[in-house]
Amino acid sequence: DAKTTQPNSMESNEEEPVHLPCNHSTISGTDYIHWYRQLPSQGPEYVIHGLTSNVNNRMASLAIAEDRKSSTLILHRATLRDAAVYYCILNTGNQFYFGTGTSLTVIP
Amino acid sequence: DGGITQSPKYLFRKEGQNVTLSCEQNLNHDAMYWYRQDPGQGLRLIYYSQIVNDFQKGDIAEGYSVSREKKESFPLTVTSAQKNPTAFYLCASSISSGMNTEAFFGQGTRLTVV
Repeated sequence: DAKTTQPNSMESNEEEPVHLPCNHSTISGTDYIHWYRQLPSQGPEYVIHGLTSNVNNRMASLAIAEDRKSSTLILHRATLRDAAVYYCILNTGNQFYFGTGTSLTVIP
Repeated sequence: DGGITQSPKYLFRKEGQNVTLSCEQNLNHDAMYWYRQDPGQGLRLIYYSQIVNDFQKGDIAEGYSVSREKKESFPLTVTSAQKNPTAFYLCASSISSGMNTEAFFGQGTRLTVV
């Protein structure tokens, strides 16, 4: 199974950047790296995904290591609405493998 | 509005009964998925379907069954054989099962066995 490893929890001050790390040392050459976030009792929400190059969208940036064994989700200015569990996921083509995620707390 | 809808939001079942969770999408997506989430844990894949009339078991399929008779619908039946069915169930869809596609999730069904 494709696996990812993330810290259980992180804290950030409001309006500061947040870097959420993810290790995926068993990634294969064709696996895409996806990030989703989930609020309590809701379904996960797509954040961003990429293969090799760094990616930017309106929500976040994704920095992928050159060897692809790790990646970092970057929230440029954390807001209280960004408090959620963030999942780093490998998409193997048939399914999305979810780990336990990182619970992000944003401090006002 | 396009989206993926799960119903009901809360469901109570007596032990020994089968129960069916509904998942409907109007996004014209080919691929659909069912996940189970237990408190404090990530999502685990139960079943997935890449196309109508075809589906495959995920990591924890025992005690569950699915059907995919229509593109927009992927109901999940929790059978009496599932030993610990109390959980939060999430349905998702994606335009295809390719790796470069994002998944859209429903709001979930919380099933409680009483």
